[in-house]
Amino acid sequence: EDQVTQSPEALRLQEGESSSLNCSYTVSGLRGLFWYRQDPGKGPEFLFTLYSAGEEKEKERLKATLTKKESFLHITAPKPEDSATYLCAVRGSSNTGKLIFGQGTTLQVKP
Amino acid sequence: DVKVTQSSRYLVKRTGEKVFLECVQDMDHENMFWYRQDPGLGLRLIYFSYDVKMKEKGDIPEGYSVSREKKERFSLILESASTNQTSMYLCASSRDRVETQYFGPGTRLLVL
Repeated sequence: EDQVTQSPEALRLQEGESSSLNCSYTVSGLRGLFWYRQDPGKGPEFLFTLYSAGEEKEKERLKATLTKKESFLHITAPKPEDSATYLCAVRGSSNTGKLIFGQGTTLQVKP
Repeated sequence: DVKVTQSSRYLVKRTGEKVFLECVQDMDHENMFWYRQDPGLGLRLIYFSYDVKMKEKGDIPEGYSVSREKKERFSLILESASTNQTSMYLCASSRDRVETQYFGPGTRLLVL
């Protein structure tokens, strides 16, 4: 069964304190791993798509990496406005387009 | 930019009422999805559609139905609302089955 586990559930950082969020997955034939950011009361906002092990994508203070078993979202020198819940999702080879989501990591960055 | 809009941000309904949630996307996407999001349970897929007048059950379709009469519009219907359908409902669309899904702002539904 396809499964996604994110850790930690919650993370509190001081402004400027770099860290990483983890997304571990088991899926039959990965057809994409997706990172989203979600602010309270709003819909998820797309960040990155990764398709193969070794791939990396960057956007401002965020960098996503992918291995055969997990993905990391690295946050460099975070700011308070980076506070949000970060969701990871995978698509397998079932050809339905269906995404399997993790529970998310809630990040709080204090000034 | 992809834009997915949902008809209401907040909705309060009574048990037994028929509820319509509407979603519209403006990017000519083939695929559209309805999820619900609950604390501790994450996002769960209710229904999805690959094309006009086509629909497929997701993981939790019980108590829901959908309608897709036009490519840009995907409606979620709660035939007889119950309190356990109180949730955040999220609509998403994607160009095809392998592309990124883009989400709308969500509808927070409270069933009393």
